[in-house]
Amino acid sequence: GESVGLHLPTLSVQEGDNSIINCAYSNSASDYFIWYKQESGKGPQFIIDIRSNMDKRQGQRVTVLLNKTVKHLSLQIAATQPGDSAVYFCAERPNRDDKIIFGKGTRLHILP
Amino acid sequence: DTGVSQNPRHKITKRGQNVTFRCDPISEHNRLYWYRQTLGQGPEFLTYFQNEAQLEKSRLLSDRFSAERPKGSFSTLEIQRTEQGDSAMYLCASSPGQVPNTEAFFGQGTRLTVV
Repeated sequence: GESVGLHLPTLSVQEGDNSIINCAYSNSASDYFIWYKQESGKGPQFIIDIRSNMDKRQGQRVTVLLNKTVKHLSLQIAATQPGDSAVYFCAERPNRDDKIIFGKGTRLHILP
Repeated sequence: DTGVSQNPRHKITKRGQNVTFRCDPISEHNRLYWYRQTLGQGPEFLTYFQNEAQLEKSRLLSDRFSAERPKGSFSTLEIQRTEQGDSAMYLCASSPGQVPNTEAFFGQGTRLTVV
């Protein structure tokens, strides 16, 4: 079964504020954890990944944090914009495997 | 448009009919993936190819499902004797095949409705 899941199905954030989307995973053997974004009517789009031997990685306006002690992954989006409205999936790539396993998703609503 | 292309975008079929979907990956991407997504859920892995070789099939893929990538370029996914439970969005993705293979480029999907 799935080993990647999310804490909340929906998150509402004021435009301009920071967003934090959380994820719990159970497969400690995965070597990469990944965040994807899916806008309405589109396929998922890669945002950022983090290798299991790291605890933080930054991209453009996004930061991914990995806490292996509690098997927790989070995505932080700085200065949330209307274009950030989407469903966000955490995902994993099992060690020495090349498929990506997705969790259930969190819908991010941006409030004006 | 140089992204992943899927056809058709929508398909309505009667229960028991066979359907075939096509995916054209990004040129020179040697990895190709098929996923299925139902409303409110994340994409579920079905199968993937390295060039023309099918490397893995999910347990979710019953014997009514078959996928091919005959020349290592486009791929087809066929569902025989469709059932209402097959109604879903079928997503195709491709990647260059370079480690770590975490960035897959998805098409817009084929939405299947079985009536």
